Amino acid sequence: DIQMTQSPSSLSASVGDRVTITCRASQSISSYLSWYQQKPGKAPKLLIYAASSLQSGVSSRFSGSGSGTDFTLTISSLQPEDFATYYCLQSYSTPLGTFGQGTKLEIK
Amino acid sequence: QITLKESGPTLVKPTQTLTLTCTFSGFSLSTSGVGVGWIRQPPGKALEWLALIYWNDDKRYSPSLKSRLTITKDTSGNQVVLTMTNTDPVDTATYYCAHGRITTVRGETLYYFDFWGQGTLVTVSS
Repeated sequence: DIQMTQSPSSLSASVGDRVTITCRASQSISSYLSWYQQKPGKAPKLLIYAASSLQSGVSSRFSGSGSGTDFTLTISSLQPEDFATYYCLQSYSTPLGTFGQGTKLEIK
Repeated sequence: QITLKESGPTLVKPTQTLTLTCTFSGFSLSTSGVGVGWIRQPPGKALEWLALIYWNDDKRYSPSLKSRLTITKDTSGNQVVLTMTNTDPVDTATYYCAHGRITTVRGETLYYFDFWGQGTLVTVSS
């Protein structure tokens, strides 16, 4: 089974900071990766698909990169509404979906 | 406008079977390139992928839960049902259904969940 490891598990940052979250797959998953943002009590929201494609309606301060086993989600300039938990999801192979353990982004 | 909503019991006794229904609108599960998935989240914990059903009735399950899960679709009724047998308190979670979009990007066919239901909290307890 493919395992997804996110780092860091938590992160404190300030408004305006540039933040990078990493997701590593236990084997190559090509570009079969998406990123989600989840706020407390709410359903996840799609940010990025195919590793680097920005979902329609999502702010351009979010970007994704990577291929194979190493992926990053970057927020170029943190806004107050960006403080949330972020998850990656691989959709390459069995199981046909594995989430990372999440990265909680908190206000410093 | 795509919407999904989960429904089912809020409380289930251990060993009982849990049946959850995802009722959706704004798309058809008969359309090529469409799927509906189930994802759960125990309180304070991470998301866990459970199952996915495609427009062509292809079904995929989490290996660790495969023996206990069944996913079916009622195309005419715009519903997807997830059944989980032999429940345990560790199955206590918020259960989400989500619209899966299968697409080809840079020559690769992949899926992602672009619309989610609000989730339903299920507690397994005697």
